[in-house]
Amino acid sequence: EIVLTQSPGTLSLSPGERATLSCRASQSVTNNFLAWYQQKPGQAPRLLIYGASIRVIGIPDRFSGSGSGTDFTLTISRLEPEDFAVYYCLQYADSPTFGLGAKLEVK
Amino acid sequence: QLQLQESGPGLVKPSETLSLTCSVSGGSISSSNYYWDWIRQPPGKGLEWIGSFYYGGSTYYNSSLKSRVTISVDTSKNQFSLKLSSVTAADTAVYYCAVGGGIAVSHSWGHGTLVTVSS
Repeated sequence: EIVLTQSPGTLSLSPGERATLSCRASQSVTNNFLAWYQQKPGQAPRLLIYGASIRVIGIPDRFSGSGSGTDFTLTISRLEPEDFAVYYCLQYADSPTFGLGAKLEVK
Repeated sequence: QLQLQESGPGLVKPSETLSLTCSVSGGSISSSNYYWDWIRQPPGKGLEWIGSFYYGGSTYYNSSLKSRVTISVDTSKNQFSLKLSSVTAADTAVYYCAVGGGIAVSHSWGHGTLVTVSS
């Protein structure tokens, strides 16, 4: 099983700032089969990125994904108020596993 | 635009079988080139993939749950279902059905349904 470790666990930033969230895999993620989800309280997760860097249609371009192998990053270039949420990475190269999540909160 | 809706009992007794159904609208479950997923989230915790099926007969299960899980499809009703046997309190969670182009890579989700395991 591929274990995903997300860091930091909580990130405190202000609107307008840049957010960088990390996801590290316990072994290489084949074909960069790595996705990112956003989840707000009481809502289902929303798919943002798949294939490590492919943005889902309709997702604002301030969201970007990068990385390969075992190290992946989700970057939000300029935070909007609606971006404060919990973010999960998912690997689907092997039996799918999620990271524990990273909370992005207002500073 | 595919829409999904989970239904089933909100309370299940320990050792019994949890049964949920996901009703699909906006498209046919049998004609779409998609993976249909069940994913759960214990209260206050993270996400766990339970299993998926790909129309054409392939079914995939989380190895940690495989001995207790069955995912099936009813094309006549445009629904797919989850059965989880021998439940314990650890199976208490919000259960989501979802669909997407890859296993657990889901672009459309149901709202989720909370299932509590308690006597």
